[in-house]
Amino acid sequence: AQKITQTQPGMFVQEKEAVTLDCTYDTSDPSYGLFWYKQPSSGEMIFLIYQGSYDQQNATEGRYSLNFQKARKSANLVISASQLGDSAMYFCAMRLTNFGNEKLTFGTGTRLTIIP
Amino acid sequence: DGGITQSPKYLFRKEGQNVTLSCEQNLNHDAMYWYRQDPGQGLRLIYYSQIVNDFQKGDIAEGYSVSREKKESFPLTVTSAQKNPTAFYLCASSARWGSYEQYFGPGTRLTVT
Repeated sequence: AQKITQTQPGMFVQEKEAVTLDCTYDTSDPSYGLFWYKQPSSGEMIFLIYQGSYDQQNATEGRYSLNFQKARKSANLVISASQLGDSAMYFCAMRLTNFGNEKLTFGTGTRLTIIP
Repeated sequence: DGGITQSPKYLFRKEGQNVTLSCEQNLNHDAMYWYRQDPGQGLRLIYYSQIVNDFQKGDIAEGYSVSREKKESFPLTVTSAQKNPTAFYLCASSARWGSYEQYFGPGTRLTVT
């Protein structure tokens, strides 16, 4: 079974600094996808970034990048130049990509607080 | 605007009553999902539907039921058999089963006393 581990329950970061949110995963399947979602206090889940297990390069989306280290089974989210609006819960998730096993498995999340 | 709507935002029920949470999407997506979120935990999959008139149990389906009679609608019923129904419920959809991006609704916070 797949498992996602996020070891940082909460983080405080000064505005404009970069921040790294940790995520490790466990699966024996070679074909999978890794996701990061942001959940503001309003509750909705906002998709941020995706990395496929066979992708050669780390994914980037604007200020978000995913530091994918396959051998270490880690998929850390890096937010550059943090803003006050980045304060939220952040969830790492994984999905197998072989047919019939496409359910998302989520970690427990990290609460990020940006300090002015 | 295309998106997913869930209503109401907050729902209160007495123990022993069934309650139905609504989820509607106008994205023309085939697949829809229901998740439950408890404090300090990630999302857990309750039920999912790959296509209209089809649905499958997720990881924590006991005490819940769903229907998928229309493509745009996927209501979730929390029955009296659910031991701990108080939680935040999120509905999501994706273009098709296996699409990597799921779009989420704003959620319904259910409190049962």
